[in-house]
Amino acid sequence: EAQVTQNPRYLITVTGKKLTVTCSQNMNHEYMSWYRQDPGLGLRQIYYSMNVEVTDKGDVPEGYKVSRKEKRNFPLILESPSPNQTSLYFCASRGLNQPQHFGDGTRLSIL
Amino acid sequence: DQQVKQNSPSLSVQEGRISILNCDYTNSMFDYFLWYKKYPAEGPTFLISISSIKDKNEDGRFTVFLNKSAKHLSLHIVPSQPGDSAVYFCAATRSSNTGKLIFGQGTTLQVKP
Repeated sequence: EAQVTQNPRYLITVTGKKLTVTCSQNMNHEYMSWYRQDPGLGLRQIYYSMNVEVTDKGDVPEGYKVSRKEKRNFPLILESPSPNQTSLYFCASRGLNQPQHFGDGTRLSIL
Repeated sequence: DQQVKQNSPSLSVQEGRISILNCDYTNSMFDYFLWYKKYPAEGPTFLISISSIKDKNEDGRFTVFLNKSAKHLSLHIVPSQPGDSAVYFCAATRSSNTGKLIFGQGTTLQVKP
């Protein structure tokens, strides 16, 4: 089954404690992205990757890091999380000239 | 600066009637537009798209209209069904930069039986 898998689905943590949200896709897609969804703001792109070792900033990259060492994985790293990063996060992937497939989301709460 | 705007946070229609969801954009460089549907506790799923070389694209009950001069697109759902109740997001991109995608704020559609 074609899917984008994010882990964890839920996380409550504290300010400053480094965390990583993993994202994996099994469709051999070139493109992968991370978004955050906040009330009234819709989905905002954090980072995207067009292939292995090729990443670029989206609209809200501050406070986040990503890496793309393998085609299937695109982890999102919060080195020093802060409360304003409390949000619902989505990973997505797509092939060339195809629409994005989204994961089911990760709800992060940073206290 | 919100480049893609959905000015109606919510819409309620009767089952069987038409639902019209609207989206405006400001960047004239956008040339590819998409609509996504999102149910609670799930990720968005792709619904329909349109290229700027067209002004209409139809897929079953769903039709997207694009008015480039007004920088406006709309999604028509006919007839609306209760299962269509969800949040709908429009999104825009420049096909020359295939990584970046800008979403609107979303419109919550409720279809009443």
